[in-house]
Amino acid sequence: DTEVTQTPKHLVMGMTNKKSLKCEQHMGHRAMYWYKQKAKKPPELMFVYSYEKLSINESVPSRFSPECPNSSLLNLHLHALQPEDSALYLCASSQEGGNLFEQFFGPGTRLTVL
Amino acid sequence: GEDVEQSLFLSVREGDSSVINCTYTDSSSTYLYWYKQEPGAGLQLLTYIFSNMDMKQDQRLTVLLNKKDKHLSLRIADTQTGDSAIYFCADGAGSYIPTFGRGTSLIVHP
Repeated sequence: DTEVTQTPKHLVMGMTNKKSLKCEQHMGHRAMYWYKQKAKKPPELMFVYSYEKLSINESVPSRFSPECPNSSLLNLHLHALQPEDSALYLCASSQEGGNLFEQFFGPGTRLTVL
Repeated sequence: GEDVEQSLFLSVREGDSSVINCTYTDSSSTYLYWYKQEPGAGLQLLTYIFSNMDMKQDQRLTVLLNKKDKHLSLRIADTQTGDSAIYFCADGAGSYIPTFGRGTSLIVHP
């Protein structure tokens, strides 16, 4: 199984809502990532989890809260978002270690904040 | 810091070859990557090249690396309409997390 799955595919939320994005992989990867991608732009790294511990937070506002309940799952909890947070949110995973860095990406969650 | 530059658009006719170019600034790059993103989808790793190689071929894809000029290219032979996508060059220097270029939108006309 070389797939990263993400749910939901689409999410529309108001600025006062609380919602969560989910990501799952069963490739035994120990590194998992959240990226934000605006239209016609490259992905921007948000968070990195390594062995279920948060290793990188790219100065992301606290209204985004990541969680890694186990080695296969990664969540992104959303609260009090702004319209400019509307974007495609991509999850990825990879093996830890080594120089060859192959990330496997999920299809993304298209988030719209009203 | 690291910087990866790509042209934004490329338009080709079906059956022709496409060449997508990329320049990077970090001379400590170990691996350089090409990712493909189809509309509404995540990124898919297409191919990569190790920094001590000049060329890598994989079916219709040829990657050329000029380390002196820090220039990377991706050639797609016999381009098909299904190749229409955004192609991201990524530099694996420094941290193990790639730095992505802005992406080149490849449009293939029938």
